[in-house]
Order: sequence, then C-alpha cells, then structure tokens
Amino acid sequence: DIQMTQSPSSLSASVGDRVTITCRTSQSISIYLNWYQKKPGKAPYLLIYAASSLQSGVPSRFSGGGSGTDFTLTISSLQPEDFGTYYCQQSYSTPFTFGQGTKLEIK
Amino acid sequence: EVELLDSGGGLVQPGGSLRLSCAGSGFTFSSFDMSWVRQAPGKGLEWVSSITGSGGSTYYADSVKGRFTISRDNSKNTLYLQMNSLRAEDTAVYYCAKGGDSWPFDYWGQGTLVTVSS
Repeated sequence: DIQMTQSPSSLSASVGDRVTITCRTSQSISIYLNWYQKKPGKAPYLLIYAASSLQSGVPSRFSGGGSGTDFTLTISSLQPEDFGTYYCQQSYSTPFTFGQGTKLEIK
Repeated sequence: EVELLDSGGGLVQPGGSLRLSCAGSGFTFSSFDMSWVRQAPGKGLEWVSSITGSGGSTYYADSVKGRFTISRDNSKNTLYLQMNSLRAEDTAVYYCAKGGDSWPFDYWGQGTLVTVSS
C-alpha cells in the first residue's frame, strides 16, 4: 500500500498569509495526487487534481505542485472561509489512500 | 448539474447488515467509476471501495474485504454498498463519490451516517 504523510498536522494562520501544506508518498505516483477541503458536517470538496490542475470553480488562490513522491498545496492569500481540514489522496493504485489531514485554523 | 444523493444509513447492531444507496444525476452515470469513502467520528477520510463504470471490476479496502459488496445498476443510475457483519469500527459517515482508478473524487454525496452499536 502507498503511505501518505502530510505536514503539518495542524496550523494557525492569519488572513492574507501564504500557507503551504506538503504531502509525501511512500513510492512514486507520478502526478496522481489530489487535494480536498473538508469542513465539519459537509462533504469533502475537490480543490486540485493531477497534482496541479485547479478544479472548476475553485478560487485561483489555491495551487498545487509536485510529482513523484513530493507534493504541495499552497493558498496564496488566506481567506476566512478557508478554515477546515485539508487532505491529499493518491489515485495511482488501490487502496486509494488519503493523508491524515491538516487542520487549518484562521487566527 | 451533477448530484449524488446518499441514503440508507442508520443504527444497526454488531453483526448486522445495511445497504447504502447513492442516486446519481446530471452526468452519464455508466461512463464513470464510482466509489465509497467514509469518515469515522474524529478520524480522517478512508477509501472503502470502488467500481468501474460497467460494474465489471470492483476494489475494496482490506478493512472491509469479504464483508462489504459494491454494486451498481446503471439503468437506475444508482450505486450500492451492501454491508454485512458490521462492526463497531464501521461506524462512520459514508459518502459516495464520482471517481476512482486514476481519477479524483470530483463530486460527492452529502453523506449518510452508519452507527454500529448494541
């Protein structure tokens, strides 16, 4: 199974800050890496697919990068509505594992 | 507009069974892999199972293999998850999602809560 390691596990940042979350996989997955935002009581929401492609309707302040085993999700200018937990997920091979999540709090 | 509507959750005793359903609309249902993902209370997201568009191939997490069965009825645009021999650790909100092998989960149902308790 492909192991996913996200960091940090939590962070607190201010509106307007630039925030970066990293995801490392235990083996190369090319660009089969996706990022989701999850808020309490709501379904997960796809932000980035194929490592760096912005899902339709997602604000351009979100961006993704990386390939192989190291990936990043960046929010260029944090907004109040960006609170929640962020998950990376690999769609390269089953089981389609998720990272453990990064809980983002707005200061 | 793509919509997925999960249903079928509830309270069940350990060892019991439950069948979840997910009705899809707004897209050509039979052309896409579909999946189930769950989130236990206070925990992260866990992939459970996926099925190809034709229904010809299915995939399971080790934690549910042999107990859960994913299926679909493309004539009804509906995805199913038959859950047998349920355990306390299966307690979670279950989401259906469009996507699977090589594809992201781009649309999600609203989730249905399964509670396994005596």
